[in-house]
Amino acid sequence: KQEVTQIPAALSVPEGENLVLNCSFTDSAIYNLQWFRQDPGKGLTSLLLIQSSQREQTSGRLNASLDKSSGRSTLYIAASQPGDSATYLCAVGAMRFGAGTRLTVKP
Amino acid sequence: EPEVTQTPSHQVTQMGQEVILRCVPISNHLYFYWYRQILGQKVEFLVSFYNNEISEKSEIFDDQFSVERPDGSNFTLKIRSTKLEDSAMYFCASSDETGISYEQYFGPGTRLTVT
Repeated sequence: KQEVTQIPAALSVPEGENLVLNCSFTDSAIYNLQWFRQDPGKGLTSLLLIQSSQREQTSGRLNASLDKSSGRSTLYIAASQPGDSATYLCAVGAMRFGAGTRLTVKP
Repeated sequence: EPEVTQTPSHQVTQMGQEVILRCVPISNHLYFYWYRQILGQKVEFLVSFYNNEISEKSEIFDDQFSVERPDGSNFTLKIRSTKLEDSAMYFCASSDETGISYEQYFGPGTRLTVT
């Protein structure tokens, strides 16, 4: 059974800092991995989707990487802003979500 | 920009009652999903639906749950006899079928409160 873990559970950084969020999974036979953002009481907003054949995807200040052999994905956020404050979730395929990393970016 | 919509945004019901949660997926999408998120917990997969039938379901999706696509636009989740532990946010999602991208788009959710 696929297990998805996100570390750290919470992260607080000053504005402007570059940061990395981690997602690990136990079964490397994945189809894709998707990163989402969730604001309090809201739905999930898709950030990046990485297919199993890809190693990374980029969108603006975000870069997600995938290493299936080690069961890891990272989400890199460059030059963080207070508006980036949210919970970031990774999902392996459609069926397994991590618990998320709650990010706070302080002005 | 196309988006997934869900109604109602909040539903309060008494234990044992039936509820129907409604979703309108993005119009050209062919895969549909329901998830739930109990307050403070992980998003949990319930069911996926493709070509008018269930393609996958989790152990949570027992006989109390059913899904339907009654027309060309709506996708519904029915809970036959609600329990207190069904209280959660329920999210609908859809994805396309390009063979390349299965990026999921989520609706804003329905908060179900069972009293």
